Amino acid sequence: ETGVTQTPRHLVMGMTNKKSLKCEQHLGHNAMYWYKQSAKKPLELMFVYNFKEQTENNSVPSRFSPECPNSSHLFLHLHTLQPEDSALYLCASSQGGQFSYEQYFGPGTRLTVT
Amino acid sequence: EDKVVQSPLSLVVHEGDTVTLNCSYEVTNFRSLLWYKQEKKAPTFLFMLTSSGIEKKSGRLSSILDKKELFSILNITATQTGDSAIYLCAVEGGGADGLTFGKGTHLIIQP
Repeated sequence: ETGVTQTPRHLVMGMTNKKSLKCEQHLGHNAMYWYKQSAKKPLELMFVYNFKEQTENNSVPSRFSPECPNSSHLFLHLHTLQPEDSALYLCASSQGGQFSYEQYFGPGTRLTVT
Repeated sequence: EDKVVQSPLSLVVHEGDTVTLNCSYEVTNFRSLLWYKQEKKAPTFLFMLTSSGIEKKSGRLSSILDKKELFSILNITATQTGDSAIYLCAVEGGGADGLTFGKGTHLIIQP
């Protein structure tokens, strides 16, 4: 039990669909992150939120839109995705501001774009 | 640009063996180096290292950092099949890259 939950665990969507990934942390952390992991690449940082403010956008295409309504919840809104966006999307959180201390990862959402 | 290089990329050993995994890095304004174990899906945190020469230990796993030579090692003694996983090294820097991961070492422990 990591304290970071992600839903759905698996998602299959067409290129014209709009869907959202949800992340929730129960650890009282102040920073939350979205990562993308594909079969051939190490974890790629996508977005960072620190105290609900976005502090990092790692050159992510606009078809990925994050939202952080509060310190415990993080969303990733998806629209008009491409097949190459199929990957494991991981959420993480940490205590004490961005990139500080250990990050706790959620189980991930396996996304398949058809 | 921050870089993290792990070696070997893959390793196959027998149960009971001791393994050493390597991680070298180049990073702007080094803050910490982290080791993760990844099985199936999301990585689980193992160690965070910030100071040179201080070994961190958890059961059969241990890790140490050399900030002068810019590398870290992860040791696993008396390996078990449950140690089979991808071991990720990540470095936290002060630059825009934030947390940079290596490609991982795929460790396979054979019975």
